[in-house]
Amino acid sequence: DAGVIQSPRHEVTEMGQEVTLRCKPISGHDYLFWYRQTMMRGLELLIYFNNNVPIDDSGMPEDRFSAKMPNASFSTLKIQPSEPRDSAVYFCASSLPSGSGSEQFFGPGTRLTVL
Amino acid sequence: LAKTTQPISMDSYEGQEVNITCSHNNIATNDYITWYQQFPSQGPRFIIQGYKTKVTNEVASLFIPADRKSSTLSLPRVSLSDTAVYYCLVGDFYAGNMLTFGGGTRLMVKP
Repeated sequence: DAGVIQSPRHEVTEMGQEVTLRCKPISGHDYLFWYRQTMMRGLELLIYFNNNVPIDDSGMPEDRFSAKMPNASFSTLKIQPSEPRDSAVYFCASSLPSGSGSEQFFGPGTRLTVL
Repeated sequence: LAKTTQPISMDSYEGQEVNITCSHNNIATNDYITWYQQFPSQGPRFIIQGYKTKVTNEVASLFIPADRKSSTLSLPRVSLSDTAVYYCLVGDFYAGNMLTFGGGTRLMVKP
């Protein structure tokens, strides 16, 4: 298995532009997560899906952020308009829970820089 | 939501055993304890998970006392490549509360 795939790996954009981050979870995993990591705030959960349905989006910072999962093999995280404070590494992870425990498999991340 | 407390940083030397303790005083009955490892510029990677007593895999051991209010991740004979940040997570996945990563412990292994 190729693991969780994220694209692009790096993104540099200017303030005000729309940014779309993409994720392909591991086949068969029915949970998908989006995280953001910064030095100041650490690793934060933004939103997660179960069977393509958003379960908890309480971590999404503002209305400028939106996430979709149109099918089991694809998800997007969109920021519109982007701001410099959105600069961070964005991770996607997927999971196939077993009981109350779970192992999340993380992608390599997308490093976003908003100028 | 079970809050976790772990040391901010630790130093060790190659070949030593490293023990990182995580405190989780308000752990709930259904909560599991999970440890992740993160190298720079990579996503976190699952190391080990347990519910009680001791769990061992090819990478680490996890010790959980009977009261489950703490847990200790044990890394045998560390090498330079074990330098990373280690996160302790506590929760019940289906309750949606096993998804909070704290600050982690930054382990530095020296030659």
